[in-house]
Amino acid sequence: EPEVTQTPSHQVTQMGQEVILRCVPISNHLYFYWYRQILGQKVEFLVSFYNNEISEKSEIFDDQFSVERPDGSNFTLKIRSTKLEDSAMYFCASTPQGHTEAFFGQGTRLTVV
Amino acid sequence: GIQVEQSPPDLILQEGANSTLRCNFSDSVNNLQWFHQNPWGQLINLFYIPSGTKQNGRLSATTVATERYSLLYISSSQTTDSGVYFCALAYSGAGSYQLTFGKGTKLSVIP
Repeated sequence: EPEVTQTPSHQVTQMGQEVILRCVPISNHLYFYWYRQILGQKVEFLVSFYNNEISEKSEIFDDQFSVERPDGSNFTLKIRSTKLEDSAMYFCASTPQGHTEAFFGQGTRLTVV
Repeated sequence: GIQVEQSPPDLILQEGANSTLRCNFSDSVNNLQWFHQNPWGQLINLFYIPSGTKQNGRLSATTVATERYSLLYISSSQTTDSGVYFCALAYSGAGSYQLTFGKGTKLSVIP
């Protein structure tokens, strides 16, 4: 069964460092998303991406964040200068044409120290 | 933005018991999904159900879009059902497809 895969599963980084979280969406899906979940809280939308550009973004997605689809399969989230409050689980998701069911990756747990 | 309220926030069940989880929302939706977040943090798709009723084994779900609620039924619960259950939906009015999640129902099934 096709699935969204994310790497790494865990990442520990020092405050101020840049991190790149990687995702491989389901191959025939057209819409890609990043969400985050701070420990013990609900899942929050960050950004959506379609046709090589951002289609929506939340207030959380400020200039520190960027997304990219560098090739035909990968979708990345870059955090330029990490802060302690960026510590969270980050989920990648994708949906097919028609915006039906969204499928989520297993998440990357980011810890900023 | 659209409001999503889940109830109850916490639920403790004896193994074998049945339960109903509720999701109320404030506006019309074009997508509604139920997820189970397991102890490792993974979000497992349970149902894509913007309207109607679906069943998958011991789980079933019903969405009454006109009355703005969805229900998730778990029958004959097992310890592996423990975790957090999230309702998530996309508001159809803004032409937006981002999912807004509720705060979840934390289910603990005890042997």
